Amino acid sequence: DTEVTQTPKHLVMGMTNKKSLKCEQHMGHRAMYWYKQKAKKPPELMFVYSYEKLSINESVPSRFSPECPNSSLLNLHLHALQPEDSALYLCASSQVDTQYFGPGTRLTVL
Amino acid sequence: GNSVTQMEGPVTLSEEAFLTINCTYTATGYPSLFWYVQYPGEGLQLLLKATKADDKGSNKGFEATYRKETTSFHLEKGSVQVSDSAVYFCALNRNNAGNMLTFGGGTRLMVKP
Repeated sequence: DTEVTQTPKHLVMGMTNKKSLKCEQHMGHRAMYWYKQKAKKPPELMFVYSYEKLSINESVPSRFSPECPNSSLLNLHLHALQPEDSALYLCASSQVDTQYFGPGTRLTVL
Repeated sequence: GNSVTQMEGPVTLSEEAFLTINCTYTATGYPSLFWYVQYPGEGLQLLLKATKADDKGSNKGFEATYRKETTSFHLEKGSVQVSDSAVYFCALNRNNAGNMLTFGGGTRLMVKP
């Protein structure tokens, strides 16, 4: 089984809201990732967690706050977002060199 | 640095036509190479992979061979179907710390009945 799940599937929020995206995998992978994907572009890496510790932050604005509560869960907390943050947010986990992606959360910021 | 270059799309084919999507890469060492497919409104799905020179990855009728001499990993399928319409991303992983992927720009495939 190579399934990564993400909730919610769609999210609409105002610029003053606080919301969270959730990602879960039960494959025993020890690395998890957040990506942002704009239309007609490849995914852009935001954060990498390795063994539940943040190992890479690709200079992402502080209005995005990742959290890894345990080895199966990854959250992305959102606060004071801008309309340009509207995108598809993808979670992935990896075993050795291969990343497996979730279905994504389509985020719209009004 | 690492880079992946894909042919620009969209690629428009009739059903049962032969498909080639070109992918070339620049990287030091021996990266692992991947093709991912993204159907409309969905996340990325791993289509196939190859980890060393001359390896052939295959899945669902798609194939790609790791060619180190030409630094290429072209995706092929002998007979496409309407259901293959999607965006295809070529990617490499240098297997360094963080297992970071470098993606090509993506190629949109449209298959007409």
